[in-house]
Amino acid sequence: EVQLVESGGGLVQPGGSLRLSCAASGFTFSDYNMNWVRQAPGKGLEWVSYISSRSSGIHYADSVKGRLTISRDNAKNSLYLQMNSLRVEDTAVYYCARVGLGELLNYYYYYMDVWGKGTTVTVSS
Amino acid sequence: DIQMTQSPSSLSASVGDRVTITCRASQSINNYLNWYQQKPGKAPKLLIYAASSLQSGVPSRFSGSGSGTDFTLTISSLQPEDFATYYCQQSYSILLTTFGQGTRLEIK
Repeated sequence: EVQLVESGGGLVQPGGSLRLSCAASGFTFSDYNMNWVRQAPGKGLEWVSYISSRSSGIHYADSVKGRLTISRDNAKNSLYLQMNSLRVEDTAVYYCARVGLGELLNYYYYYMDVWGKGTTVTVSS
Repeated sequence: DIQMTQSPSSLSASVGDRVTITCRASQSINNYLNWYQQKPGKAPKLLIYAASSLQSGVPSRFSGSGSGTDFTLTISSLQPEDFATYYCQQSYSILLTTFGQGTRLEIK
C-alpha cells in the first residue's frame, strides 16, 4: 500500500524548534519529488516547501523562507522539515505529499497524488 | 504569485443535485489546474488534474473543464459522501504552487 506517515508535531513556544518527519512506503521514494503543505485551524491549504527527488531543487514559500528547512534521506525513505524560529502563525496541520506526474499529449502535469494524514504543530506560549 | 479565487465560498445542495464550483486564476495557467476534495479531519484527495483528467478511482460523476484563467468542477449527481470542501490548485508554477481558498459543500 502506498503510504505517507508524518510524525514529530507537538506544542512548542514561539521562537522554538521542531523537526517533522514523513515516512514513505509502498513506492520508490527516490523517484518522486515531495512537498510539505500546511493547513491552519479552520483555514485553507498552503504550500510550504518542495524538494526534488535527488534534493537538487529546493523551494520555499515566502512565509517560511529562512526559518524552515526541507530535506530528505532516500536511503531511509524519509522526508523532513526542520522548523526553527517558530511563530504563532505557523500553527497548523502539516502534510507531506507526493508530487505525481501525468502525461497528456506530450505535456507533463504535476499534482499531489498521495498525502499523509498530517501532524499537528501548535506554537503557543 | 498566481492567485486562485474560488466561488462560491460555500454552497448548500441536496443529494442528486448537479453542482458547479468555479476557480479563477489571476493569470493564464493553460490547463495546469488540479482539484482536491477534503473531508473534516482528513487529508486532501486528488480528484482531477490537468483541468479535466479524472484521477484513477474517482467516480465519473466528477468532471472538470476550463483553460486559461477560468475553470469549473462539476458533480453531476451529488451523493452523501460528496459533502466536503473542494480546493483548486494551479500547477503552472509548480515551484510556487497556490491553492484556492476552498468551497465548502454542505447538505441542504
